[in-house]
Amino acid sequence: KNEVEQSPQNLTAQEGEFITINCSYSVGISALHWLQQHPGGGIVSLFMLSSGKKKHGRLIATINIQEKHSSLHITASHPRDSAVYICAVRSLVGSARQLTFGSGTQLTVLP
Amino acid sequence: EAGVAQSPRYKIIEKRQSVAFWCNPISGHATLYWYQQILGQGPKLLIQFQNNGVVDDSQLPKDRFSAERLKGVDSTLKIQPAKLEDSAVYLCASSLRPDTGELFFGEGSRLTVL
Repeated sequence: KNEVEQSPQNLTAQEGEFITINCSYSVGISALHWLQQHPGGGIVSLFMLSSGKKKHGRLIATINIQEKHSSLHITASHPRDSAVYICAVRSLVGSARQLTFGSGTQLTVLP
Repeated sequence: EAGVAQSPRYKIIEKRQSVAFWCNPISGHATLYWYQQILGQGPKLLIQFQNNGVVDDSQLPKDRFSAERLKGVDSTLKIQPAKLEDSAVYLCASSLRPDTGELFFGEGSRLTVL
């Protein structure tokens, strides 16, 4: 079982829809990252959070440490939001405390 | 502020050939990471540097992969000889602090091994 599970793997939405991407993890963590990857490969960090909720523009990220679950929400989705969204967790164990990545959610927003 | 620079963006080689990728992190970032991302998967850490020292290279296939960061700034990742399964995007990232800092990624180097 992967340490980080994302759902759904693929998501197609119409422009304007509210979108939710979920991330579940199995280990104790010090932080969780949400990342965006556009075609071509470059990755942009959207959020880094360890508790509660963060908001940036139309993006909202929440985390429930007790349930080991995080969600990324996109309000009023737009075709330019089409990308792969990746959840990554920084484990509490291990000397290097490396990031473990989910396999990503491919989001396509249709005009 | 300049971002993480990587080159080349794309490389096509035949199996058993060698290839090298270069990364220049954000100025002042002591921590540098090389990740391998195979199509459809999340990035996998290959090696992490703190300044010019290796923090973690446990998942680096050392029989064919090598990486260095001699002066604690830019870094190179080499594959020799390449195998078909090395086809992937090689991502470089840097952060100010090793455990808690936000990661900044480069555009990646896409390798195709024929």
